[in-house]
Order: sequence, then C-alpha cells, then structure tokens
Amino acid sequence: EILLTQSPGTLSLSPGERATLSCRASQSVSSSYLAWFQQKPGQAPRLLIYGASRRATGIPDRFSGSGSGTDFTLTISRLEPEDFAVYYCQQYGSSTWTFGQGTKVEIK
Amino acid sequence: QVQLQQSGPGLVKPSQTLSLTCAISGDSVSSNSAAWNWIRQSPSRGLEWLGRTYYRSNWHYDYAVSVKSRIIINPDTSKNQFSLQLNSVTPEDTAVYYCTRDEVTYMDVWGKGTTVTVSS
Repeated sequence: EILLTQSPGTLSLSPGERATLSCRASQSVSSSYLAWFQQKPGQAPRLLIYGASRRATGIPDRFSGSGSGTDFTLTISRLEPEDFAVYYCQQYGSSTWTFGQGTKVEIK
Repeated sequence: QVQLQQSGPGLVKPSQTLSLTCAISGDSVSSNSAAWNWIRQSPSRGLEWLGRTYYRSNWHYDYAVSVKSRIIINPDTSKNQFSLQLNSVTPEDTAVYYCTRDEVTYMDVWGKGTTVTVSS
C-alpha cells in the first residue's frame, strides 16, 4: 500500500499570503490518480485538484497543483479567509485509495 | 447534479453489525463510468477508504485489507443505492462514515457523512 506523507502538519499564514503544501508518496504515483481535497469543520471533503494539476469544477484559479512521481504540491497563491481549512492529498493505485494525514492551514 | 443521501443508525453496540445506506440521485449505481465508495474518518485513523463497488458488465468489489474480513458493500439497482455492512464492530470503528462517487481518476461527490458511535 502506498503511504502519503503531508507536510507541514500545520501552516500558520495571514490572508493574502501564499501557501505551499507538500505530499510525498512512499513509491511512485501515477499523476492521473493524485488529488487534493479541502475540508472545513463539520463538512465532507471537497475535491479541489485531480490528475495532480487539474482544477475541479468551480475551484478558483488561486488553487494549483503540481508534481510527479513521489512529490506533489498544492499551492494557494493568495489566501482568502475561506481557504483556512484542512487539506488532504489522495492517491489511487492497485484498486485502493489512500489519503495523507492532512495539513491544517490556520490564520496567523 | 449528483447527490448522495446517507441513512442509518448513529449508535451500534460492540460485536454487532454497522449498516448504512447511500441513495443516489442524478446518476445510476449501474453506471459504466462510476464507482461507489465508503470512506470513514476518525481522529486516530484519519481518512480511511473502506471499499467500493462498480459495474462493468458485471459487479466488482474492492475492499481495504484492514476491513476485508468484516465488510460487505452491496448495490441495489431497484432503489438506485448502495449499502455498507461492517460486522463485529468495536469502539475502534467509531467514526464519521461517508459514501462517495469516483469517476476512475477522481472522487468528486460525497455524502454529508454519518457519525457512528460503537458503544454499549
């Protein structure tokens, strides 16, 4: 099973700043199957990015994804108040979905 | 748009069976392009994929190794829904349970979640 490790665990930033979140896989992941989700308290996760770099429907262009192989990045170019949340990466392989442990983006 | 409506009890006794249902609107459980998943989330285990079912000329099932001996996911074409059965539950199975749709490369639709507590 492929393990996903996200860093940092918590990111303390101010609105307007840039956020860079990392997701590292224990072995190579197909970019087609790497996704990012946002989760706010009391809500289900929401798909932001799929295929490593494709924005899901309705996702603002301040969210972008990049990477390949074992290293992937989610970037939020300018944090808006509604972006403070927990972010998860996810991958699919060998008929199994796995998630990272999450990065919390909090207001500094 | 596609929506998933979850139902089922919020409290289950240890050693009993956890049963949840996910009703689909706007898509079909027999879709040839979608798969239907159950995922749970707890503070100790994070987001954990449990299993899925999908139809590609016949029904297929994939289960997580961690629950493979205790889980059944069943599609119900007559009601356009799918269900989760998790047997022999313990307090470790206490979590928020989500049903989701995946379209092969992404998981784009989620139910609202059901909090299930395992306690006597």
